[in-house]
Amino acid sequence: GAVVSQHPSRVICKSGTSVKIECRSLDFQATTMFWYRQFPKQSLMLMATSNEGSKATYEQGVEKDKFLINHASLTLSTLTVTSAHPEDSSFYICSAPGSSYNSPLHFGNGTRLTVT
Amino acid sequence: DAKTTQPPSMDCAEGRAANLPCNHSTISGNEYVYWYRQIHSQGPQYIIHGLKNNETNEMASLIITEDRKSSTLILPHATLRDTAVYYCIVRIPYNAGNMLTFGGGTRLMVKP
Repeated sequence: GAVVSQHPSRVICKSGTSVKIECRSLDFQATTMFWYRQFPKQSLMLMATSNEGSKATYEQGVEKDKFLINHASLTLSTLTVTSAHPEDSSFYICSAPGSSYNSPLHFGNGTRLTVT
Repeated sequence: DAKTTQPPSMDCAEGRAANLPCNHSTISGNEYVYWYRQIHSQGPQYIIHGLKNNETNEMASLIITEDRKSSTLILPHATLRDTAVYYCIVRIPYNAGNMLTFGGGTRLMVKP
């Protein structure tokens, strides 16, 4: 079945540094990918929609200059958390839609970001 | 996407069937019912989806009422590894960029 690979699975960084998270569709092409964030004991919240070859669309309240999204190819989207702060510590998850009309979204295994 | 209502938590004995309900009374005619689950510290995993007919796969069965206002996900023989948060999502497959909106889900605890 379709697989979405997300890397790294865990990252610890110091406050003020930037972190890049990669999301790859392994056996299918994805013109659109979605980035979610999940805080402890909460549900997933959509942050942004990544579009291949064009600008990402951000949800209300998500700073586009802080969470940089690049979707340079049909199989890769990246999320860069710039100038990270402890409040950015969270579980970040990417997903991509399958190729047919009602196929489900496929999710990566998430990235646990801890900012110290 | 139509709003869904799920109980926040449920317990189930290992080996027994787990029946997880979902209410979606405002569902429209072209919206599908999707079920995902999220095991702790992992990304969501697709389980099953349906439009109006009951569906079954190797993981679970999905029972949708005739009026489509509610559905039940059935795990026929729950194991400890089925402990997870289960999300019921109702949506048109290709809309608003195809993203999913997650509610609170049901935290299923399978006990020995």
